[in-house]
Amino acid sequence: AQTVTQSQPEMSVQEAETVTLSCTYDTSESDYYLFWYKQPPSRQMILVIRQEAYKQQNATENRFSVNFQKAAKSFSLKISDSQLGDAAMYFCAYRSTSSARQLTFGSGTQLTVLP
Amino acid sequence: DGGITQSPKYLFRKEGQNVTLSCEQNLNHDAMYWYRQDPGQGLRLIYYSQIVNDFQKGDIAEGYSVSREKKESFPLTVTSAQKNPTAFYLCASPTHSGNTIYFGEGSWLTVV
Repeated sequence: AQTVTQSQPEMSVQEAETVTLSCTYDTSESDYYLFWYKQPPSRQMILVIRQEAYKQQNATENRFSVNFQKAAKSFSLKISDSQLGDAAMYFCAYRSTSSARQLTFGSGTQLTVLP
Repeated sequence: DGGITQSPKYLFRKEGQNVTLSCEQNLNHDAMYWYRQDPGQGLRLIYYSQIVNDFQKGDIAEGYSVSREKKESFPLTVTSAQKNPTAFYLCASPTHSGNTIYFGEGSWLTVV
């Protein structure tokens, strides 16, 4: 079974600064998807960014980018120019493309943005 | 628009009662998942279903039951055997390719 590990339960960043959230995963598969989701206090799950394992290029969405290291099974999220609205719980997720089709989440990182 | 509808949003359960949380999707997806989230914690998998009439236990299935009689519906029953059911419950369904995950808005269950 796949596992996803987020080793930082809490992180804080000063407004306008940059922060990186860590995520590692364990899998024997070669093709899969990785996601970062943001969960504000409303508990709504908001997609931040998605990475396809067969694409070597790191995904980028405006101020959000990832550092995808397939061999190291690492998938970190970098938030640049942090804003107060970025404060939330962030989840890393793994979606298998195999027949098992597991969908596994990490334990989350609570991000605080300091004004 | 296609999506996932969870109901009710808030539910109160008395000790010893069974309650059922609804999850309905109009996305024509095969796979559906139920997760539990405790305050400040991550998402833990309760049950998942890859196809109609089939479902598998997740990491914390004890005290829960599901059915998948229709493609659109994947209800979760929290039984009296679940000793600490107070939590936020989230239903999810990925596309067949796996590149997009749809979520419901969640259900809050409180034991009174």
